[in-house]
Amino acid sequence: AQTVTQSQPEMSVQEAETVTLSCTYDTSESDYYLFWYKQPPSRQMILVIRQEAYKQQNATENRFSVNFQKAAKSFSLKISDSQLGDAAMYFCAYRRGSAGGGADGLTFGKGTHLIIQP
Amino acid sequence: SAVISQKPSRDICQRGTSLTIQCQVDSQVTMMFWYRQQPGQSLTLIATANQGSEATYESGFVIDKFPISRPNLTFSTLTVSNMSPEDSSIYLCSVITSGNTIYFGEGSWLTVV
Repeated sequence: AQTVTQSQPEMSVQEAETVTLSCTYDTSESDYYLFWYKQPPSRQMILVIRQEAYKQQNATENRFSVNFQKAAKSFSLKISDSQLGDAAMYFCAYRRGSAGGGADGLTFGKGTHLIIQP
Repeated sequence: SAVISQKPSRDICQRGTSLTIQCQVDSQVTMMFWYRQQPGQSLTLIATANQGSEATYESGFVIDKFPISRPNLTFSTLTVSNMSPEDSSIYLCSVITSGNTIYFGEGSWLTVV
């Protein structure tokens, strides 16, 4: 079974600085997707960024980018120019792709609580 | 995109009772999922709600405790049966669209007293 590990329960960064959240995963599949979700105090799950395993290019969404190292099974999230609104829980998640069945839901890591210092 | 409505958004329930959570999507989707998020924890997949057949449950979750219905491609319900304080959680509905994008409802926050 696949597992997702987030080794940083909490991270703190100064406003306008850059922070990197770590995520590793374990799978025997070759076709899969990786995600970062943000969960603010409202509890709404907000998709931050998504990466398809077959794509070598790292995904980028504005101030958010990932460092996807497939061989190392690592998927870190970099947030540039941190803003107060970025404060939230961040969850790394995995989903098997269609080639492997594709009927699975997401497997989540335990989350990283990101604090933004003004 | 998909807009997901969950009801109730929040409820306080008595021990031993059951509560049904509804999930309505504004478009037809093939895959619908139910997750549980216990206080201070991550999300755990409960089951996949299959249209026209029984739900597929993850290890540790059983149909008698969490019966699920999926009568059509836009609607599903999750019932939390014979509730105990350990069932106090946020329950989230999630869908996957044809574009392979995953959306979540706003969650149903249950407190069992």
